[in-house]
Amino acid sequence: KQEVTQIPAALSVPEGENLVLNCSFTDSAIYNLQWFRQDPGKGLTSLLLIQSSQREQTSGRLNASLDKSSGRSTLYIAASQPGDSATYLCAAYNFNKFYFGSGTKLNVKP
Amino acid sequence: DAGVIQSPRHEVTEMGQEVTLRCKPISGHDYLFWYRQTMMRGLELLIYFNNNVPIDDSGMPEDRFSAKMPNASFSTLKIQPSEPRDSAVYFCASSLTPPATNEKLFFGSGTQLSVL
Repeated sequence: KQEVTQIPAALSVPEGENLVLNCSFTDSAIYNLQWFRQDPGKGLTSLLLIQSSQREQTSGRLNASLDKSSGRSTLYIAASQPGDSATYLCAAYNFNKFYFGSGTKLNVKP
Repeated sequence: DAGVIQSPRHEVTEMGQEVTLRCKPISGHDYLFWYRQTMMRGLELLIYFNNNVPIDDSGMPEDRFSAKMPNASFSTLKIQPSEPRDSAVYFCASSLTPPATNEKLFFGSGTQLSVL
């Protein structure tokens, strides 16, 4: 069974700082990996999807990388803003299911 | 498209009562997923459907839980009888087939269930 871990559970940074969120998974035979954002009281919004054959995906200030061999993915946020404050979850897809991490709660201080 | 629509947004009920959660997936999506989110266990997959057919219900915690998808635009998750430990946020999500490629997963806003 796939296990997905996200460290740290919470992160607080000053506005403008570049930051990296980490996601690790135990089974490298994944089809894709998605990063989601969840605001309080809301559902999850897919930010980036990286297929197993890809190494990274970029959208605006967000860049996600994937290293299947080491079972790791990172989400890089450039020039963080208070509006980036949310919980970020990663999900690995294999065995016909999405396996979610428990998330990193990000607080960007003005 | 309005996205994945769930109702109700909040449900408060008493132990032993029947609870029905509803979901309308994005039009054209043929995969539908029901998840439960709690602080202790995070996001758990309960069941998913492909073309209205239940494919994997191994995450359904007990026989008290049941899910149906009578047509491509509607699904229900029913808990009967409900218990306080069922209190959680229940999410519905949908995607195009196959989700293993480049198709993103789209979530509804969730139903906050409180069983007293």
